[in-house]
Amino acid sequence: GAGVSQSPSNKVTEKGKDVELRCDPISGHTALYWYRQSLGQGLEFLIYFQGNSAPDKSGLPSDRFSAERTGGSVSTLTIQRTQQEDSAVYLCASSLGGQRTDTQYFGPGTRLTVL
Amino acid sequence: GNSVTQMEGPVTLSEEAFLTINCTYTATGYPSLFWYVQYPGEGLQLLLKATKADDKGSNKGFEATYRKETTSFHLEKGSVQVSDSAVYFCAHLETGANNLFFGTGTRLTVIP
Repeated sequence: GAGVSQSPSNKVTEKGKDVELRCDPISGHTALYWYRQSLGQGLEFLIYFQGNSAPDKSGLPSDRFSAERTGGSVSTLTIQRTQQEDSAVYLCASSLGGQRTDTQYFGPGTRLTVL
Repeated sequence: GNSVTQMEGPVTLSEEAFLTINCTYTATGYPSLFWYVQYPGEGLQLLLKATKADDKGSNKGFEATYRKETTSFHLEKGSVQVSDSAVYFCAHLETGANNLFFGTGTRLTVIP
């Protein structure tokens, strides 16, 4: 079946512009995660959605970052007034959501470059 | 605080060599432990996991044992293949947490 998909695969933007990154989770998965992978660093958690519960936003690095999940499915990560340090690969993952240890399935990522 | 420390790469091995990638963790509770792998041009995928002390995760010839006494989850494989060339990430899921906490990754290259 279809895995997690993300779009765009690559995004180049100018400093100060806003960007939107999209994630389509696996159908039926109630849990959705955003991570980012910066050059030379591991994956850093950003935000977690589970069903209709309030999202866990504890990993968002600043108020320029926000995310929504509409209808319990598609999610959009928005970065306002992008900075060069926002350049990274942004990864989305989804899981069944019944248990915290459920396997997280990752998408291919969006590579964001801020000039 | 929480952290995952894994062996720095890159690691280069000849085919059929023995592989060990060390991973140690710091956590406040009793986390679940994972190894994820990222093959060239592909997304991250789960390789194996262990959810409690002394559990052994295994998949595709890889193994890792959850050692609470040494807070470790070292990845091993007895005989690597060229197709094992990838970046390997150790991760933990802290008790009560929602998200995985990852190490920085170890790049493995296996040469024929």
